[in-house]
Order: sequence, then structure tokens, then C-alpha cells
Amino acid sequence: NAGVTQTPKFQVLKTGQSMTLQCAQDMNHNSMYWYRQDPGMGLRLIYYSASEGTTDKGEVPNGYNVSRLNKREFSLRLESAAPSQTSVYFCASSELQGTGETQYFGPGTRLLVL
Amino acid sequence: QKEVEQDPGPLSVPEGAIVSLNCTYSNSAFQYFMWYRQYSRKGPELLMYTYSSGNKEDGRFTAQVDKSSKYISLFIRDSQPSDSATYLCAMSAWGGANNLFFGTGTRLTVIP
Repeated sequence: NAGVTQTPKFQVLKTGQSMTLQCAQDMNHNSMYWYRQDPGMGLRLIYYSASEGTTDKGEVPNGYNVSRLNKREFSLRLESAAPSQTSVYFCASSELQGTGETQYFGPGTRLLVL
Repeated sequence: QKEVEQDPGPLSVPEGAIVSLNCTYSNSAFQYFMWYRQYSRKGPELLMYTYSSGNKEDGRFTAQVDKSSKYISLFIRDSQPSDSATYLCAMSAWGGANNLFFGTGTRLTVIP
């Protein structure tokens, strides 16, 4: 069981370039998430997908798009990268346990936009 | 005012010490409270999950929720160097992971 995997681990982009961050989970979870983590800001939700075929905006969706390719995979796309998108990006999936959902995070993608 | 406030630290303690990590919050609707541990350059991992008020213990870790004061704590007994990490609190009103509010994290170092 690999859990949640993310690629790439690290990426450098120039302003205006595009890229897609990949995420996959092998735990058969319905829900998946994309977060960004910045110093002093904590984790902020970008987009989430409650099930295959559905996506919804989170707290900071501007400048991003997502695709829930199938139950396992959830990708995050930056169409035109900006320096403000320099961050560490985490993908997560979740399952319902007891009264609430438990999230499992991937190892993260460090993105630097110059 | 942020929904969740957490002292960023850093916090350094000697091995074997009792550690207290805390978060305060402003939304009285929060009922689900979590603590995550995040090692350097890794993703967060769930450490403790509590619902409503009270205490929950798991080995050396105790999570405490005081809803009347809007205050949650994580206690680590007999701290070990392997506990050195950033600890994030998180909370939500209805248990769904798409509506979590995270603290900024407290960086803890346990010195051998």
C-alpha cells in the first residue's frame, strides 16, 4: 500500500509557464483534496473532489484547475504560473471513520516560480 | 481574526519532558478536533482525532478539548527526539474534511 503519491517532488517554473501536479491514492477513497502550505498561513484548501466526476472550489482556487481523472487520480494544473504560487502542494484523500473523515496526505510537491 | 490560532514556536525541550501544545479558536460551531504531526519535508499525518469536549489518550499522547474556552491542547509525555516535528491543529464544524481549518503549526524540537 503506497497510500497517497505525488509527482513531481520538486519543480522550478518561470512565470507564465504551465504544469500539472499529479496525485494518486490506492486506498479506494472517494474524496480527494489539494492544499497549499505557506509559512505563517497553514494549510489552505485549493480544490476538492467528493467523488469521481465531481470537483469543488476550496478557499484559494484562483489560478488553478483540477481534474478527477478516475477514483484513484486527482491532478492540479497551473495554466500560467505566478511567483505567488510558489508553495508546497499537498494532495490528500479521506475516508469516513466514526463520526468524521480522516485525511491521509501525500509527501508534497515543492514548487518554485521565478 | 483567524479562525484558528496556534503559537508557531519554536519550542525546544529536553528529552523526557512533558510537552504542551495549544490552539485557540473563535468558531463555537467547531466540534471535530484533530492534531497532525508533520516531519520536515513530509506530509502531515493524523495523530489524534476527538469529537466534542473531553480528553482522549493514545500512548504518550493526550488530546484535550475545552469547548467552553475554545481551547484545545495536545500533551506529549516522556518526549523523545523522534517527536521533533511540526504539530498542526485542525478543526471543523461538521466532520467533513473539505471544511477543515488548520492552525499554522508549532515546531517542536526534543533535545537528547
